[in-house]
Amino acid sequence: SQTIHQWPATLVQPVGSPLSLECTVEGTSNPNLYWYRQAAGRGLQLLFYSVGIGQISSEVPQNLSASRPQDRQFILSSKKLLLSDSGFYLCAWRYQGADEQFFGPGTRLTVL
Amino acid sequence: QKEVEQDPGPLSVPEGAIVSLNCTYSNSAFQYFMWYRQYSRKGPELLMYTYSSGNKEDGRFTAQVDKSSKYISLFIRDSQPSDSATYLCASEKNSGGSNYKLTFGKGTLLTVNP
Repeated sequence: SQTIHQWPATLVQPVGSPLSLECTVEGTSNPNLYWYRQAAGRGLQLLFYSVGIGQISSEVPQNLSASRPQDRQFILSSKKLLLSDSGFYLCAWRYQGADEQFFGPGTRLTVL
Repeated sequence: QKEVEQDPGPLSVPEGAIVSLNCTYSNSAFQYFMWYRQYSRKGPELLMYTYSSGNKEDGRFTAQVDKSSKYISLFIRDSQPSDSATYLCASEKNSGGSNYKLTFGKGTLLTVNP
């Protein structure tokens, strides 16, 4: 069966500090991978998606970036965090060409 | 106008009640519809998925899609306190490519009181 992991589970960072969130998927190969942010009252916002290693599409211009160094690894980064980057970050995956999408447990980020 | 609209609630019902959760969408190209359940501080989990108008049933849950009115519903029968969560509807176009992207409603917070 497939499993998706995210870490860390929670993170408190000062403004201006860097960020690295990691997502890995087990039990499948060549998945589509997604990063979402969920802020209070604003729903799920798609940030990045990837259809393969090194292939990243950005949905929202901002100070975040994403990378996919391995087939089942997706990383969300920032060089300098802003207060507005606080939120619940969710990684998701799906099989190529399939419709069902599955989410990870999420990382709660607080920027102070 | 957002592509998927969902009443955020909150919705509070007694245990055993029938719950109706609703979304509307504006994009006629949407063909696939999903409902996710999200417990507090957890990732969303896929509850129901359908791509046609009509009803789809799974245990106490029924998903209903009316493409003519662009209306999506989720019914929960015999609601339980464990159903207390935020329910998210989502829709998707069939882009024909591999980069499918879901459009989500903001979610409805449901509380089932024992």
